[in-house]
Amino acid sequence: KNEVEQSPQNLTAQEGEFITINCSYSVGISALHWLQQHPGGGIVSLFMLSSGKKKHGRLIATINIQEKHSSLHITASHPRDSAVYICAVRDQKLVFGQGTRLTINP
Amino acid sequence: NAGVTQTPKFRILKIGQSMTLQCAQDMNHNYMYWYRQDPGMGLKLIYYSVGAGITDKGEVPNGYNVSRSTTEDFPLRLELAAPSQTSVYFCASTIGNAVGAFFGQGTRLTVV
Repeated sequence: KNEVEQSPQNLTAQEGEFITINCSYSVGISALHWLQQHPGGGIVSLFMLSSGKKKHGRLIATINIQEKHSSLHITASHPRDSAVYICAVRDQKLVFGQGTRLTINP
Repeated sequence: NAGVTQTPKFRILKIGQSMTLQCAQDMNHNYMYWYRQDPGMGLKLIYYSVGAGITDKGEVPNGYNVSRSTTEDFPLRLELAAPSQTSVYFCASTIGNAVGAFFGQGTRLTVV
């Protein structure tokens, strides 16, 4: 069993829809990261969480430490949000989920 | 510009050749990582370092070596390249819980 599990693996939605991507982990962590990887391959850090909730523009990330679960939400989704979203947890090393491939159709 | 600098961006190696992928960060981050990403797959940890002079194996260390003689640099060495090492390699760094993870641009390596 992977230490970090993401769901869904693939998600296709229409522009404007509210998107939720989930991440569950089985190890003790000091921080959880949400990352975005565009088709060109570059990886960008979106959020780092150790508790509660963070918001940046249309993106919201939450974490429940007791339940070992985090969610990434995208409001008013847009085709430019199409990317792979990756959850990673860190104690000493960063361990990645498999990623969620999001496609937003116009 | 502050960040993670990874070189080269592209490389083609012949089977049995060796090379070093360079990674440098200027943010004084103590944690540095090397990952590989095979087509359509997630990131797999090769090696990581929690500070100068300290390195440790990740999930897929075989065929690779690393060193961390300074805080800034974390080179990845491939000895006797094999086709199975064809992949995209990413270097990353983090520090504490105050900031996110920073990634290099990636190195696309093909072994033929």
